[in-house]
Amino acid sequence: DAGITQSPRYKITETGRQVTLMCHQTWSHSYMFWYRQDLGHGLRLIYYSAAADITDKGEVSDGYVVSRSKTENFPLTLESATRSQTSVYFCASNDRGGRYFGPGTRLTVT
Amino acid sequence: AQSVTQLGSHVSVSEGALVLLRCNYSSSVPPYLFWYVQYPNQGLQLLLKYTSAATLVKGINGFEAEFKKSETSFHLTKPSAHMSDAAEYFCAVSGDMDSSYKLIFGSGTRLLVRP
Repeated sequence: DAGITQSPRYKITETGRQVTLMCHQTWSHSYMFWYRQDLGHGLRLIYYSAAADITDKGEVSDGYVVSRSKTENFPLTLESATRSQTSVYFCASNDRGGRYFGPGTRLTVT
Repeated sequence: AQSVTQLGSHVSVSEGALVLLRCNYSSSVPPYLFWYVQYPNQGLQLLLKYTSAATLVKGINGFEAEFKKSETSFHLTKPSAHMSDAAEYFCAVSGDMDSSYKLIFGSGTRLLVRP
């Protein structure tokens, strides 16, 4: 199916563990993004990528790492998960028509 | 620099009533403006966008928004609310239409529709 997919949709992990959230888009959009959504904070940008092998930090990048070896994939890694990283994570890609969001990953860190 | 203010974190209307969700923006350059909708447990979906072509923009699901430069507003309206419109709505602003990361979101307005 065309579009943007995220996996897993739900994840429970323990404090200190590394966890990777996957994002895949089929449109070949150059720009991709990771956001987190928390009550009271709205959407906050974690990282974005302008193209394969080009990434840059957003406003809340501490504790997160991204890579983009292929245009269609943009994984987000929490190197050592903390409870404050419990959130809903959205991946997105962009063209001139607008920004398109994936369905989200609900991550709980215990 | 751009910013967006959505007035009212919650708006409640009766089914069949007019929906009005308010958005005011601040931009140092001609803005591009967007409305997104988020249904429970889903990602954000683009409702409509303003790209300087026409001030009245029609979107999906019967929604429309009017760009008013003098009021720096981009309010979202729908003549008759449906139960399925219950969701959270986000206004967003960008300074350009390139694929820049500089898309600024408002804090969102949750629309409740009463039967």
